Amino acid sequence: GAVVSQHPSWVICKSGTSVKIECRSLDFQATTMFWYRQFPKQSLMLMATSNEGSKATYEQGVEKDKFLINHASLTLSTLTVTSAHPEDSSFYICSALGAGQGQKTQYFGPGTRLLVL
Amino acid sequence: RKEVEQDPGPFNVPEGATVAFNCTYSNSASQSFFWYRQDCRKEPKLLMSVYSSGNEDGRFTAQLNRASQYISLLIRDSKLSDSATYLCVVNEKDSSYKLIFGSGTRLLVRP
Repeated sequence: GAVVSQHPSWVICKSGTSVKIECRSLDFQATTMFWYRQFPKQSLMLMATSNEGSKATYEQGVEKDKFLINHASLTLSTLTVTSAHPEDSSFYICSALGAGQGQKTQYFGPGTRLLVL
Repeated sequence: RKEVEQDPGPFNVPEGATVAFNCTYSNSASQSFFWYRQDCRKEPKLLMSVYSSGNEDGRFTAQLNRASQYISLLIRDSKLSDSATYLCVVNEKDSSYKLIFGSGTRLLVRP
């Protein structure tokens, strides 16, 4: 089946540093990937839609200069949290859009847990 | 008003019980509907799609009522391994593939 990986699975960093998270579709090509964020006991919130070869589309309230997205190939999208602060601590999950059974399906990565001290 | 609303629970039921979750969505233009399951500190995993005619997958039955903008999930003969958070998910327009997640209903199945 379709497999999506994320790296790293968890990261702890100091306030002010930048953190890059990778999302890879391992056995299929994905022109579209999505980045979500989930705070404790809350739902997944879509941050942005990542399109291969073009600029990402950000949801309202998400700062594009703070959350840099690069989708340079059909199997890799990266999210960079720039100048991270404690309030950016969250569970970041990506998904890749692939062909499911008769319809396109989002396949989720295992998530990256970020803790900013 | 939230786009997708669910009772957060938790629902605490004994093994073998039947339990039902409900979900309402606000956008009448929504096209596709799903139930996902999320275990603690893990990513969500697709449980089943929800079709207009209703559909069943083993012990799980999903129903959709477009007129009332209401989706349900019924779990029969609950197992300990069913303990998780169940997320109601809506795709507004097929062309965007964007998913709107409810905040989830937590299920605890006890021995």
